[in-house]
Amino acid sequence: EIVLTQSPATLSLSPGERATLSCRASQSVRSNLAWYQQKPGQAPRLLIYDASKRATGIAARFSGSGSGTDFTLTVSSLEPEDFAVYYCQHRGHWPPGATFGQGTKLEI
Amino acid sequence: QVRLVESGGGVVQPGRSLRLSCAASGLTFSSYGMHWVRQAPGKGLEWVAVVSSDGNTQYYEDSVKGRFTISRDNYKNMLYLEMSGLRAEDTAVYYCAKEGFAAAVYAFDLWGQGTMLTVSS
Repeated sequence: EIVLTQSPATLSLSPGERATLSCRASQSVRSNLAWYQQKPGQAPRLLIYDASKRATGIAARFSGSGSGTDFTLTVSSLEPEDFAVYYCQHRGHWPPGATFGQGTKLEI
Repeated sequence: QVRLVESGGGVVQPGRSLRLSCAASGLTFSSYGMHWVRQAPGKGLEWVAVVSSDGNTQYYEDSVKGRFTISRDNYKNMLYLEMSGLRAEDTAVYYCAKEGFAAAVYAFDLWGQGTMLTVSS
């Protein structure tokens, strides 16, 4: 079973600053890694898939990188609406289930 | 408008059964694998179950295996989660989520708003 470990648990930054969030897999997941943003009382929203591809409608300030076991989500210049919880997620062909990291809370 | 809408949540006693539903609209429902993901209060996301696009293959998280059944009706554009033997630890918001397309197939590109299940006596 693949385990995803996110760090840090909480990241305190200010608008305009750069945010770097990490996700480490317990074994190689190649590029099968996605990132989601979740705000209080809302469903998660897909930001990045296939490690580095932005989902439809996602602002260019969000970028993903990495492959194998180490992945990064970068927000180049934080906007007030970016303060939320971010999850990484892996799913492979088989077994078809998914694994989520424990989340990183990005706070002001 | 492309959307998923869950329903069926509520308060149930331990050991009882409940069925959650997810109505899909604005998409070719039968083309995509569908999942249930849950989130306990104040906790992170936990994947629960998947059903293939044709409904013939299902897979479950270990803690729900034998208690939960995922199914779909492609004629009605509906996804279901039949839950039995409910436990307090099943208390969560339950989301239905759609697999993406092509390179995004391993991600969930559309989520419902969630339905809350509380298991309590």
